Amino acid sequence: QVQLQQWGAGLLKPSETLSLTCGVSGGSFSAYHWNWIRQSPGMGLEWIGEISPGGNTNYNSSLKSRVTISLDASKKQFSLKVNSLTAADTAVYYCASQLLGAFDYWGQGIMVTVS
Amino acid sequence: AIQLTQSPSSLSASVGDRVTITCRASRGIGNSLAWYQQKSGQAPQLLIYDASTLNGGAPSRFSGSRSGTDFTLTITSLQAEDFATYFCQQFNNYPFTFGQGTRLDIK
Repeated sequence: QVQLQQWGAGLLKPSETLSLTCGVSGGSFSAYHWNWIRQSPGMGLEWIGEISPGGNTNYNSSLKSRVTISLDASKKQFSLKVNSLTAADTAVYYCASQLLGAFDYWGQGIMVTVS
Repeated sequence: AIQLTQSPSSLSASVGDRVTITCRASRGIGNSLAWYQQKSGQAPQLLIYDASTLNGGAPSRFSGSRSGTDFTLTITSLQAEDFATYFCQQFNNYPFTFGQGTRLDIK
């Protein structure tokens, strides 16, 4: 069973860069695609992007120019960076694994406030 | 992007009731649809994938079906722990998208 543990700064100022990391335990790190998703009252659940075990990425065009997802297989971690933050980026950010197409395991979520 | 429209947006029901939630896709996505349950303050949990396959650990009172671009989540014999918000999500096309959610609360 895969377990995901997230960490990173929760209070940021406009124009700063969000940086979150998700650590993976259990399961096979190389078998999954690794995703970031955020949830805000105004936008609901929004998929941010994914990275494959080989390092290929896909991003939501709504944030594409500001987002970078990377992974460190040796540490079984993957990370999210979002630059040029605005108040509209305030949300709970989740990491999630994807094996069967759907998101089968989720991290605990981190509330990120831009103010 | 593919839009997913859930109905109803909220629903009140009683323990023991049978409940149906619908998710309509703006264009064809095959069976590439999942359903999630989210309780307050928690991350969503996968219930059903591929439109009708029950995820391991999910109770058998949950089921999913598809008719064209219309998808249905059915909960038979509601239990107290089922009162939560439910989301559909498509993984057929990038960007992956979610429905706006259906809040199920106690009547």
